[in-house]
Amino acid sequence: GESVGLHLPTLSVQEGDNSIINCAYSNSASDYFIWYKQESGKGPQFIIDIRSNMDKRQGQRVTVLLNKTVKHLSLQIAATQPGDSAVYFCAENGPSGGSYIPTFGRGTSLIVHP
Amino acid sequence: NAGVMQNPRHLVRRRGQEARLRCSPMKGHSHVYWYRQLPEEGLKFMVYLQKENIIDESGMPKERFSAEFPKEGPSILRIQQVVRGDSAAYFCASSPWDSRKSGNEQFFGPGTRLTVL
Repeated sequence: GESVGLHLPTLSVQEGDNSIINCAYSNSASDYFIWYKQESGKGPQFIIDIRSNMDKRQGQRVTVLLNKTVKHLSLQIAATQPGDSAVYFCAENGPSGGSYIPTFGRGTSLIVHP
Repeated sequence: NAGVMQNPRHLVRRRGQEARLRCSPMKGHSHVYWYRQLPEEGLKFMVYLQKENIIDESGMPKERFSAEFPKEGPSILRIQQVVRGDSAAYFCASSPWDSRKSGNEQFFGPGTRLTVL
């Protein structure tokens, strides 16, 4: 079956460094991708999204890169701060039973050391 | 400007009891989604509803689980005769647009953590 997965379950960085979180997807029909941040005890929070007709999109301190050739997605966080510590999920959105329901990866835990 | 509301935040049930989880979507949103999250795992889709209709229940277990989104009031996820394996965090999300089209951002609630003793 189709799956979304993350290469690194845990990423530790120093405050001020840049962070890169990677994600692989396998559903070639997916045309919309989303990164979510989930802090402990809370629900996922939308960070940034990208459509399949783009290969890069920038937000505030975050950049998402999409490589459709190798079905790879990454989230780059510039000048990482302690408040960025959380679990980050990528989700691919493709047709499933007539609906476009996100399929979530397992998640990467980002730990930012002051 | 309240976000997605879920209650209760924590729910403890004994095996065989029923669990009822409630979700009030964001104002103006008529599309609701339920997900289940096991520890250290991603969210697994369960069901997608619009007002009074179940649109996609492909992720819903065939037995004991049901969901509704009545014309008035919150969406309800109901689990009958709970078992220990039902222990998880259950998240609700809402969106203003029809998820039968791609590119649809969902807004998540804080979740209900169900513990089955």
